[in-house]
Amino acid sequence: RKEVEQDPGPFNVPEGATVAFNCTYSNSASQSFFWYRQDCRKEPKLLMSVYSSGNEDGRFTAQLNRASQYISLLIRDSKLSDSATYLCVVPPRGSQGNLIFGKGTKLSVKP
Amino acid sequence: DAGVIQSPRHEVTEMGQEVTLRCKPISGHDYLFWYRQTMMRGLELLIYFNNNVPIDDSGMPEDRFSAKMPNASFSTLKIQPSEPRDSAVYFCASSLSPPKDEQFFGPGTRLTVL
Repeated sequence: RKEVEQDPGPFNVPEGATVAFNCTYSNSASQSFFWYRQDCRKEPKLLMSVYSSGNEDGRFTAQLNRASQYISLLIRDSKLSDSATYLCVVPPRGSQGNLIFGKGTKLSVKP
Repeated sequence: DAGVIQSPRHEVTEMGQEVTLRCKPISGHDYLFWYRQTMMRGLELLIYFNNNVPIDDSGMPEDRFSAKMPNASFSTLKIQPSEPRDSAVYFCASSLSPPKDEQFFGPGTRLTVL
């Protein structure tokens, strides 16, 4: 299994839709997980951190399934401004502070 | 705080030339990371420093790449000689205490090697 694997998409959804992305990881010892958001031709920025079973922030919900080693990101009531690439991020085995970034899932929200 | 500062923002050079990318991390952040992003390979970690000391440079592609951090407020990534396959966006990021703390990225340097 790759260290971090994501469906590249693109996911094309209408405004108001609910969309979910999954990410699988290989390091079973990881304790912290992250979703970063990257807009076109911009730098990645932290969207959410996930430390236990999950985390919710407004329309965004991240869930962690340790048994199956996957993380999901759910976006409810999609907005045009949610269009971006979403990067799943996990510390690698033996991390001393570094992270592994997935290649990202591209979301396009249409009017 | 101004955030992570990178220069130049764009660089176009010819194969064989030396390229130097610069980064100023957020003040007080002990960790500095250099990444390279391409469509094919995504965001790859090249090297990272803790308190100005390189911790892991296993991601540096080859001897043509070198990175330094002479002090807590400045780092450079040098490519000599540059090749067309080095064309990518190079990001610098800094963090207070990763992995639990957020990595803050600079705006990146878009490098094109002709």
